[in-house]
Amino acid sequence: DTEVTQTPKHLVMGMTNKKSLKCEQHMGHRAMYWYKQKAKKPPELMFVYSYEKLSINESVPSRFSPECPNSSLLNLHLHALQPEDSALYLCASSQVHPSYNEQFFGPGTRLTVL
Amino acid sequence: DQQVKQNSPSLSVQEGRISILNCDYTNSMFDYFLWYKKYPAEGPTFLISISSIKDKNEDGRFTVFLNKSAKHLSLHIVPSQPGDSAVYFCAASDNSNYQLIWGAGTKLIIKP
Repeated sequence: DTEVTQTPKHLVMGMTNKKSLKCEQHMGHRAMYWYKQKAKKPPELMFVYSYEKLSINESVPSRFSPECPNSSLLNLHLHALQPEDSALYLCASSQVHPSYNEQFFGPGTRLTVL
Repeated sequence: DQQVKQNSPSLSVQEGRISILNCDYTNSMFDYFLWYKKYPAEGPTFLISISSIKDKNEDGRFTVFLNKSAKHLSLHIVPSQPGDSAVYFCAASDNSNYQLIWGAGTKLIIKP
């Protein structure tokens, strides 16, 4: 299984809502990532988990809260988002070997904040 | 300062011909380079990678060339097919962390 799955595919939420994005992989990867991508831009790293521990937080606002319940699952909890947070949110996974960092991406969740 | 640069925002190539996408980098600590392909509203798809100890890696229609002295890599697609129309991102990493440093992307359009 070489697939990273993400749910939901689309999400529309108001600025007062609380929602969660989910990601799952069964490739045995122990590094998992959250990225944000705006149109016509490269992916922008948000968080990295290594062995289920948060290893990188790229100064992301606290309205985004990641969680890694186990080695296959990664969540991103959203609360009090702003319209400018509307974007494609991508999950990725890789082996824990920075020198061979082939990250495999999920299809993304298209988030719209009203 | 951009450490990975893709200076061509777009490239148009006739179907069946060779597509050459270019990427330049500035950080000599980068030791692994990757190419991703992205369709609109989808996640990037890993295409091919190359380690700094090599100068060429080939996988089917895709070949990546690395010129370390020039800090330049290129992706060759031969022959180009309509399904190759997408945005191509070059990315680089060093062995200090998990971050990929991304180029801005090149939109490849394959003309019939």
